[in-house]
Amino acid sequence: GQSLEQPSEVTAVEGAIVQINCTYQTSGFYGLSWYQQHDGGAPTFLSYNGLDGLEETGRFSSFLSRSDSYGYLLLQELQMKDSASYFCAVRDRNTGFQKLVFGTGTRLLVSP
Amino acid sequence: KAGVTQTPRYLIKTRGQQVTLSCSPISGHRSVSWYQQTPGQGLQFLFEYFSETQRNKGNFPGRFSGRQFSNSRSEMNVSTLELGDSALYLCASSLEADGYEQYFGPGTRLTVT
Repeated sequence: GQSLEQPSEVTAVEGAIVQINCTYQTSGFYGLSWYQQHDGGAPTFLSYNGLDGLEETGRFSSFLSRSDSYGYLLLQELQMKDSASYFCAVRDRNTGFQKLVFGTGTRLLVSP
Repeated sequence: KAGVTQTPRYLIKTRGQQVTLSCSPISGHRSVSWYQQTPGQGLQFLFEYFSETQRNKGNFPGRFSGRQFSNSRSEMNVSTLELGDSALYLCASSLEADGYEQYFGPGTRLTVT
């Protein structure tokens, strides 16, 4: 099965750079996704790493290293609107079907 | 293109009752997944439907069931409600099965008293 661990909370100031880590215990999965969820809102897709390496989408970048069982989401030039919860997720392929398993979630607080 | 819609948005039920939640995916999306979100357990996968067939099921009791219709709309049902079923129930759609990019609806906030 899958277990994805994230820090529970990260704080930063506007304009800064923050990295949210996702470490996992698994024997097989298809890629790593990241979702953002504002309080009271629905999760929204941010990025996907199907292969090891860095994927960049504007101010957001995501990285995956299968050999280290590790991935991260990098947010640059932080803005107040980036205050939200961030979840990593993988497709578990160990159980014969591919359910999407979410990490524990990281609450990001951006201050002025 | 309209997003994923869920009805109702809020629901209050008492223990022992049953409830049916509805989800309409983005037009053209054939896969619908359901999740339960609670502060303590985070986002937990319930089930996934594709072309009216349940492909995957999470670790939830049989009181939780669902179905998908030919127009891809989906419903989930919870029978014999328990206090612990109070949660935000999220529906997500994707173009194909096992999609890594899912589009979530606003959710149904269920409170069981």
